[in-house]
Amino acid sequence: DAKTTQPNSMESNEEEPVHLPCNHSTISGTDYIHWYRQLPSQGPEYVIHGLTSNVNNRMASLAIAEDRKSSTLILHRATLRDAAVYYCILSPRGDYKLSFGAGTTVTVRA
Amino acid sequence: GAVVSQHPSRVICKSGTSVKIECRSLDFQATTMFWYRQFPKQSLMLMATSNEGSKATYEQGVEKDKFLINHASLTLSTLTVTSAHPEDSSFYICSAPSRGDWGGYTFGSGTRLTVV
Repeated sequence: DAKTTQPNSMESNEEEPVHLPCNHSTISGTDYIHWYRQLPSQGPEYVIHGLTSNVNNRMASLAIAEDRKSSTLILHRATLRDAAVYYCILSPRGDYKLSFGAGTTVTVRA
Repeated sequence: GAVVSQHPSRVICKSGTSVKIECRSLDFQATTMFWYRQFPKQSLMLMATSNEGSKATYEQGVEKDKFLINHASLTLSTLTVTSAHPEDSSFYICSAPSRGDWGGYTFGSGTRLTVV
């Protein structure tokens, strides 16, 4: 499985944007970039995914580098409810396994 | 949106007994479901892939006789922890593909198992 590298932790102030980087230098052409987040004592929650183009949804934006070797999840205005562990995961089309790394623990200060 | 219901949310059992955890897809069919285990302060570890109508596929190092998986219908998968021991205490989470064939998943809310 292609691996991803994320910072262990990030802090943000409430109402400010959060940019979460993810490096995936060994990504293959068929790998989708997924982001999930996990709040304490809950199952992971889908955030966003993309293949080549930048993506936006109601939760976040995903900016994908032109060479696809890195991506950034953008939370536009952090709230206290966004405090969670964020996982960047590569998943090949047709392969339904998700392999979770350590993720980035996001702390939001009021 | 797609919902996966997991029960129970918490269970405490005595050492040596068995515990069954259920995972249901409420508004979609899931021919495949995944079972994960998460120890405190650690990430999710895939245990097995549950396939409707056939045997589950276990990850390396996971004892299939200890963690029995049954996927009897398109909406229900169960994980039974047999002869549970304190070291089996963990957070168990199921998930199912829910957004077509490009790999988006819906996760259950998890089951906190404590073996005493």
